[in-house]
Amino acid sequence: DGGITQSPKYLFRKEGQNVTLSCEQNLNHDAMYWYRQDPGQGLRLIYYSQIVNDFQKGDIAEGYSVSREKKESFPLTVTSAQKNPTAFYLCASSMSASASNEQFFGPGTRLTVL
Amino acid sequence: GENVEQHPSTLSVQEGDSAVIKCTYSDSASNYFPWYKQELGKRPQLIIDIRSNVGEKKDQRIAVTLNKTAKHFSLHITETQPEDSAVYFCAASYNYQLIWGAGTKLIIKP
Repeated sequence: DGGITQSPKYLFRKEGQNVTLSCEQNLNHDAMYWYRQDPGQGLRLIYYSQIVNDFQKGDIAEGYSVSREKKESFPLTVTSAQKNPTAFYLCASSMSASASNEQFFGPGTRLTVL
Repeated sequence: GENVEQHPSTLSVQEGDSAVIKCTYSDSASNYFPWYKQELGKRPQLIIDIRSNVGEKKDQRIAVTLNKTAKHFSLHITETQPEDSAVYFCAASYNYQLIWGAGTKLIIKP
């Protein structure tokens, strides 16, 4: 299960707090992605990055922010503007930005709002 | 917007029988269709994929078929085993993204 890691595994957030989820990969992949998974739904794309220092909004970017200062790292911040953040968050990477490449997933972070 | 519909949402089959999960997509430019398996509490993992230049692909007990004219593709699992119990997701490529189906929970009855 090596290659792409996420931390923490569980995270609890109080109302009004910003929290940051970590995602690291040692696969030398150019592209990285953040998804949100809710029960009974598919994966919804929050942000993606095709290359260092560049990223684009996905379908549900509101209330989230990202950075891509290093190739290996793509942290996701869940801001207080995200009104319903309780979900399972998955980070993924792929060799290049083409949608035709296999995406490799991290183990996920389960975020709960208290 | 672009979407992928996946059916059924839950599928229960007897061990040893076959299972079929179907997906339809909306963007005729989609050219890559992967299937991922997610076991309970674990990360999704690619089990098979197909590109638009072929109509069928097999890997042991798993096969995927693609009908580009009708814009649908299906996952076929033969001789199902207890370890096949999981949630299966289909996806279709769209620009630099994958558009995902809502998932099918496959239950294998002993």
